[in-house]
Amino acid sequence: GAVVSQHPSRVICKSGTSVKIECRSLDFQATTMFWYRQFPKQSLMLMATSNEGSKATYEQGVEKDKFLINHASLTLSTLTVTSAHPEDSSFYICSATREGQGKNIQYFGAGTRLSVL
Amino acid sequence: DAKTTQPPSMDCAEGRAANLPCNHSTISGNEYVYWYRQIHSQGPQYIIHGLKNNETNEMASLIITEDRKSSTLILPHATLRDTAVYYCIVRRIWGLGTSLAVNP
Repeated sequence: GAVVSQHPSRVICKSGTSVKIECRSLDFQATTMFWYRQFPKQSLMLMATSNEGSKATYEQGVEKDKFLINHASLTLSTLTVTSAHPEDSSFYICSATREGQGKNIQYFGAGTRLSVL
Repeated sequence: DAKTTQPPSMDCAEGRAANLPCNHSTISGNEYVYWYRQIHSQGPQYIIHGLKNNETNEMASLIITEDRKSSTLILPHATLRDTAVYYCIVRRIWGLGTSLAVNP
């Protein structure tokens, strides 16, 4: 159990367009979802934490108007990169935690590789 | 902030045990240690976690020192598919991990 699905796996877009990434918990209800970005040969950098029905909490230095997060249900969170530019090119990964025992274990999606031309 | 220190890289022969150390000397009394691994270009995968007792599951064993300032992840019989970056995490702070290469 504890499968997290992330789509799309890869996106190539033109500069100035917006890109939406979906993160779904398939077999459990996610109390909290997290969004990370990862540059080549670097570690995961937490961008924001979201709870269903409330506003996301963004990490310092992450622009909330640039990276819109919507957590509409206990199984779905979306990240929209607005007006993407080449410097936004990165590997974006979501994760989810669930209620109950081991609730702080993060289950990760497969990631989305965004390339902005 | 709790922070972990891991060697940047390690090698292991296929079939042998891989022992991956982690230093977390600033860990607080009620904080867990979590281990994940990331195979190239994929999302991280949860391996195991512990508080103060040693833990074992189908993937690995976790040995935590009595003072809780360090731990060791043990893959008892490493395979080529265990080649990955292994992260030791406290309080959701991600370092650079250890890049483990399992060699035939």
